[in-house]
Amino acid sequence: DAGVIQSPRHEVTEMGQEVTLRCKPISGHDYLFWYRQTMMRGLELLIYFNNNVPIDDSGMPEDRFSAKMPNASFSTLKIQPSEPRDSAVYFCASSLLNIVSYEQYFGPGTRLTVT
Amino acid sequence: QKEVEQNSGPLSVPEGAIASLNCTYSDRGSQSFFWYRQYSGKSPELIMFIYSNGDKEDGRFTAQLNKASQYVSLLIRDSQPSDSATYLCAVNRGSTLGRLYFGRGTQLTVWP
Repeated sequence: DAGVIQSPRHEVTEMGQEVTLRCKPISGHDYLFWYRQTMMRGLELLIYFNNNVPIDDSGMPEDRFSAKMPNASFSTLKIQPSEPRDSAVYFCASSLLNIVSYEQYFGPGTRLTVT
Repeated sequence: QKEVEQNSGPLSVPEGAIASLNCTYSDRGSQSFFWYRQYSGKSPELIMFIYSNGDKEDGRFTAQLNKASQYVSLLIRDSQPSDSATYLCAVNRGSTLGRLYFGRGTQLTVWP
């Protein structure tokens, strides 16, 4: 298995532009998570899906952020309009629910820089 | 109070020593506990999980869980420079299936 795939790996954009981050989870996994990581705030959960349905989006910082999961193999995180404070590494992770282990497999991340 | 708290460090130990990383959690209903390792510029990767009180050993790594004290620790024996990374503690609360709550991480440096 290729693992969780994210694109792009790096994104540099100007303030006010729309940014779309993409994620392909591991095949067969039923949970998908979007995280943001910064030095100041650490790893923050933005939103997560179960079977393509958003379960908890309370971590989404503002209405400028939106996420979709149209099918089991694809999800997007969109920021519109982007701001410099959105600069961070965004991780997508997926997991398969297991009573004992909730191991999450992380993608390589997208490093976003908003100038 | 944060869900999961860790000493931010940095923690610095010499090669061959035991590194001890600690984590406390706030929800007594928490069921599973995880240690992730994150190298600089990389994504987190799972190194151990534990769900029963006591110790769980895997090679040079030992996870310890004390649910009464709401405390989880990770011991790394015979520390190597390649163990230098940030270690994230994560907890699953029984009330929120699938979700993990992560601590801020402890940065570990093992010097030769």
